[in-house]
Amino acid sequence: DQQVKQNSPSLSVQEGRISILNCDYTNSMFDYFLWYKKYPAEGPTFLISISSIKDKNEDGRFTVFLNKSAKHLSLHIVPSQPGDSAVYFCAASAKGFGNEKLTFGTGTRLTIIP
Amino acid sequence: GAGVSQTPSNKVTEKGKYVELRCDPISGHTALYWYRQSLGQGPEFLIYFQGTGAADDSGLPNDRFFAVRPEGSVSTLKIQRTERGDSAVYLCASSFGVNTEAFFGQGTRLTVV
Repeated sequence: DQQVKQNSPSLSVQEGRISILNCDYTNSMFDYFLWYKKYPAEGPTFLISISSIKDKNEDGRFTVFLNKSAKHLSLHIVPSQPGDSAVYFCAASAKGFGNEKLTFGTGTRLTIIP
Repeated sequence: GAGVSQTPSNKVTEKGKYVELRCDPISGHTALYWYRQSLGQGPEFLIYFQGTGAADDSGLPNDRFFAVRPEGSVSTLKIQRTERGDSAVYLCASSFGVNTEAFFGQGTRLTVV
């Protein structure tokens, strides 16, 4: 069963606008969530994370929102830039602020249109 | 090296053969993780090491898969009697500890024919 779901396989956004990537999870034991960005032929790169004790975390152009009651998180990128074009993975951990045993979603391919 | 290095970058093997995939973590990183990414899927956890010991190997799919990290640095993922379903990109990551950022290598693309 897919415990972390990214229901949009792809998303296209105009440069300068906001990109919103969504992620849903089913396991209520998850307490730490991460977003990774992946370019072709490279490994995933950590982007931003959020603990379940928060509902928002911000880092520059990137903000992650967590709605625990809905088991939903989203990544906002504003303003979107061409270099943001990549595949974005949502990941979750049931082990606190830990990287061990992350459960990943299937990814969303973001394309920024110049 | 500056980042996590995985060798080979590509490996084609025949069904039934044995393969070894190598991961050189970032110097000083005590935690090391192996993931597998099949086509159209996200990375799937296989095993993680804290130092030389496997702290959690619950993601290894069956006993054909084995991983070692004898000196707490380089790790080798070993797959016996490969099957076509083992075809995937095998990703390795490392971090100073489990609670610090993990850095991924570029992966080894394994194709079993």
